[in-house]
Amino acid sequence: AQSVTQLGSHVSVSEGALVLLRCNYSSSVPPYLFWYVQYPNQGLQLLLKYTTGATLVKGINGFEAEFKKSETSFHLTKPSAHMSDAAEYFCAVSPRYSGYALNFGKGTSLLVTP
Amino acid sequence: EAGVVQSPRYKIIEKKQPVAFWCNPISGHNTLYWYRQNLGQGPELLIRYENEEAVDDSQLPKDRFSAERLKGVDSTLKIQPAELGDSAVYLCASSPYDGEQFFGPGTRLTVL
Repeated sequence: AQSVTQLGSHVSVSEGALVLLRCNYSSSVPPYLFWYVQYPNQGLQLLLKYTTGATLVKGINGFEAEFKKSETSFHLTKPSAHMSDAAEYFCAVSPRYSGYALNFGKGTSLLVTP
Repeated sequence: EAGVVQSPRYKIIEKKQPVAFWCNPISGHNTLYWYRQNLGQGPELLIRYENEEAVDDSQLPKDRFSAERLKGVDSTLKIQPAELGDSAVYLCASSPYDGEQFFGPGTRLTVL
């Protein structure tokens, strides 16, 4: 079985500050890991994914995440927050890159203050 | 390229009434997923199709939920009768054989 735990249901940062959203996973097989963003009344959009290879993954909108097997973590970061980053962020895990359901965390709501 | 299309976007019904949601996946995507997202939670899979075959419906409450994917393209998810606890956002996603999942905007169901 695979699952993810997102630490912190709400995170607040100032505009221009570092964004750090935490995700820890549990998996009995090599995991495929994903971060999705959801804006109000919209579907989920893929930010980035880890499949194999390089453990530091760069995504859209300046986000990146690092896969750390020893810590079973896949934290999402962005050096400088922008007001438009305010949204719900979901970490997800799957046993394969494609064709399998994603197991999502409960999400972290990011608030960016001026 | 058009994304995943879902309709309706919003639906309000009274309990015990039936309701249906429709999804049109991205052209060429053979895998289609229905997820349910409860308030304050991440999406959870209800059913997954490979072409027209339901290959994972273990989380679908079969006493009241049904789904179909005719000709391996569009899909319909139905609830009959609806209960208060069915209030949620129902998300449809699709993926090609070796690609990522793309999500539609969802249908927000409110059961009164």
